[in-house]
Amino acid sequence: EVQLLESGGKWIQRGGSLRLSCVSSGSSFSDYPMTWVRQAAGKGLEWVSSVSGGGTATYYADSVKGRFSVSRDNSKNTLYLQMNNLRADDTAVYYCAKEGSSGWMELDSWGRGTLVTVSS
Amino acid sequence: SYELTQPHSVSVALGQTATMTCGGDNIGTKNVHWYQQRPGQAPVLVIYKNSDRPSGIPERFSGSKSGRTASLTISRVQAGDEADYYCQVWDSGVLFGGGTKLTVL
Repeated sequence: EVQLLESGGKWIQRGGSLRLSCVSSGSSFSDYPMTWVRQAAGKGLEWVSSVSGGGTATYYADSVKGRFSVSRDNSKNTLYLQMNNLRADDTAVYYCAKEGSSGWMELDSWGRGTLVTVSS
Repeated sequence: SYELTQPHSVSVALGQTATMTCGGDNIGTKNVHWYQQRPGQAPVLVIYKNSDRPSGIPERFSGSKSGRTASLTISRVQAGDEADYYCQVWDSGVLFGGGTKLTVL
């Protein structure tokens, strides 16, 4: 079973930048797409970004397009989310998740999340 | 843009059957996945591709789809099933419903 561990979340001022990391303990990390999902306190799940297994195809929610960038280093089994020009409404717990094997973008393994707090 | 609609809350008596719905246009053409999120925890996949169960998920959990609605059904509800449940599809990105809070009475 794949274990995912996020890190990098912290308190940061509006307009600042932050990079989140997600390390996978599983083998064959490059075989599956990865996704970032966030959840503001008391709110529902919101998709942020996804990246293909090889890292060449990336997808973003409109709310973060142009400000966030997803990447991965398959040699290090690590997923990244570079967040620039942070806004107060980016405050949330950020989860990384792995796509399952059906090919229909179900997320079958999740990390425990890392909290990003953007001060206004 | 595409939207998934879930009721805000559902209540069910202990040991009974709970059904949660997820509505969306043309949902019949999409594969629907369901997640359980207990308070303070990360989401867990409980149903994928409309009705398939990941390993380790009890048979009490089942999924179906009819018309414009997908459904998650939990039989013989237990206290530990009390959680938020989210449906999800792929539509030019990962899309979640707003979530349903299941309360076990």
